[in-house]
Amino acid sequence: GENVEQHPSTLSVQEGDSAVIKCTYSDSASNYFPWYKQELGKGPQLIIDIRSNVGEKKDQRIAVTLNKTAKHFSLHITETQPEDSAVYFCAASGLTDKLIFGTGTRLQVFP
Amino acid sequence: ETGVTQTPRHLVMGMTNKKSLKCEQHLGHNAMYWYKQSAKKPLELMFVYSLEERVENNSVPSRFSPECPNSSHLFLHLHTLQPEDSALYLCASSPSPDGLVGEQYFGPGTRLTVT
Repeated sequence: GENVEQHPSTLSVQEGDSAVIKCTYSDSASNYFPWYKQELGKGPQLIIDIRSNVGEKKDQRIAVTLNKTAKHFSLHITETQPEDSAVYFCAASGLTDKLIFGTGTRLQVFP
Repeated sequence: ETGVTQTPRHLVMGMTNKKSLKCEQHLGHNAMYWYKQSAKKPLELMFVYSLEERVENNSVPSRFSPECPNSSHLFLHLHTLQPEDSALYLCASSPSPDGLVGEQYFGPGTRLTVT
């Protein structure tokens, strides 16, 4: 079945710097790749997603890139702010029609 | 607010108790999900309901029993749980009418502790 690996598990950056989180997936049939942000005491919140017919998608300071050949996708956050501090999860879905999640990245942005 | 609410937010129960978790979505979605979130593990899908019919059961122990009376409400009935069942239980909904994966919107979760 599908397996999603996420790196790094923790990431600390200075405010204003960029942050990059990477995920790899195993099922070449996967075609939907969302990213979620989970703040303390809250459920995961969808922040951006990409489908396999595009290679990159941007929404203000966040962007996601997809490399189907290498089976990996990445989340890029530019000009990080303290409120970006949270746990970020990637996920992938394919023929099984289920979302398979990565193990999460705890991002800390220091002022 | 995501439009998905869960009650209670916190629950402590003994191994012999029976309790229920409730989820309600105000988004007009057709699919609802239960996930289990444990420390340092990926989110685990437990149940999927599409148009009020269960379409997925990921080999969850029978001490967890879901109920979906309509497309807006989802329950998780708990009985004779084990300490290892302590976790954050998340409900999610999706507009997908046939259970196919689309954007999923999560509630805040119920933090369950089994003593």
